[in-house]
Amino acid sequence: QSALTQPASVSGSPGQSITISCTGTSSDVGGYNYVSWYQQHPGKAPKLMIYDVSNRPSGVSNRFSGSKSGNTASLTISGLQAEDEADYYCSSYTSSSTLVFGTGTKVTVL
Amino acid sequence: EVQLVETGGGLIQPGGSLRLSCAASGFTVSSNYMSWVRQAPGKGLEWVSVIYSGGSTYYADSVKGRFTISRDNSKNTLYLQMNSLRAEDTAVYYCARGSYGTSWAFDIWGQGTMVTVSS
Repeated sequence: QSALTQPASVSGSPGQSITISCTGTSSDVGGYNYVSWYQQHPGKAPKLMIYDVSNRPSGVSNRFSGSKSGNTASLTISGLQAEDEADYYCSSYTSSSTLVFGTGTKVTVL
Repeated sequence: EVQLVETGGGLIQPGGSLRLSCAASGFTVSSNYMSWVRQAPGKGLEWVSVIYSGGSTYYADSVKGRFTISRDNSKNTLYLQMNSLRAEDTAVYYCARGSYGTSWAFDIWGQGTMVTVSS
């Protein structure tokens, strides 16, 4: 199972909005609404930000939103803040009853 | 407090075996699906294995036949038995709790334990 494709880096200024894409296939992203997004700060464990494509866990800021179209899922961060600077990973359930993560995106707040 | 604490990592020679443990508190391991995820130094996340509440298990192709996930309900602990270790298994290993039904979304993560496979 190949990793889902994400851009290596995305940057934006404070207050701006950015979008991270996550491209898979019809056997993973396109076939199921089990796409999640995780935020990971250096040296820390991942934190769940979005599940089931667009649902936010309790406690996660509503500046984070998710969507999906075909084989590509997206995470949008609006009102970018300094603390949003981190690595972001998407994940998807697959037709092989496994999980696949994205390649990861480093978000930089300029 | 709901938390996961991994132990058992260390330096091991290629071909060796290691068992990782993940002690849970604040919830029941057997009532959730639980996974192991690893992250090689400077690299991205890689899913390793899952065990469902019913006991079914699944593995990434990269570890199938070498790693075994299990749990001890009496100790509320998740395990990962790793055999025939290779250099490419070097990583921080995280255990994580699945939540939100069968979404394969993991809401609680441990702090990770480092496994280094080297001679």
